[in-house]
Amino acid sequence: AQKITQTQPGMFVQEKEAVTLDCTYDTSDPSYGLFWYKQPSSGEMIFLIYQGSYDQQNATEGRYSLNFQKARKSANLVISASQLGDSAMYFCAMREGRGSGNTGKLIFGQGTTLQVKP
Amino acid sequence: NAGVTQTPKFRVLKTGQSMTLLCAQDMNHEYMYWYRQDPGMGLRLIHYSVGEGTTAKGEVPDGYNVSRLKKQNFLLGLESAAPSQTSVYFCASTNLIGDTQYFGPGTRLTVL
Repeated sequence: AQKITQTQPGMFVQEKEAVTLDCTYDTSDPSYGLFWYKQPSSGEMIFLIYQGSYDQQNATEGRYSLNFQKARKSANLVISASQLGDSAMYFCAMREGRGSGNTGKLIFGQGTTLQVKP
Repeated sequence: NAGVTQTPKFRVLKTGQSMTLLCAQDMNHEYMYWYRQDPGMGLRLIHYSVGEGTTAKGEVPDGYNVSRLKKQNFLLGLESAAPSQTSVYFCASTNLIGDTQYFGPGTRLTVL
């Protein structure tokens, strides 16, 4: 069965430093996608970054990068130069592969709360 | 550009009451989803739809029903609310399987 594991319930980071949020996944499907979402205290779900299982390079979006290690089944989020506004809950999610019969549904991890200290 | 909207934003129900949550998207997306988020947990899929007139069960469908009569709308119904259904409900939509899902702002539901 597909599963996402985030082992860090809470993390602290000093402003302007980099931080890595861990995510491991389990799937037998060779085609899958990995996502990171940010949920600030206001509650909305904000898409950050996406990595496809066949992508050769690690995804990057501004200060966000995804450290994709396929053999280890890990998809860690790296936030560079942390800002106070980065304080939020972060969720790793995985979708099923493409093809007929797939639903596109996302499976979420339990989340990691990040607090950025000034 | 509204994206995905949800109505209402907050609601308090008594046990046994019924209600309908409305999700609307203006992006012409085929796929729509209802998730629930309980404290300290990630989102779990309740029901989903792969097109107008279709619905299917997700991970936690019990106690909920859904309908997709129009492509842009996805309704989530609670026929007889229970305290265990106290949660934040998120609607999401996407254009193609695997593409980024766009989330609504959420509905905070409390069942007393």
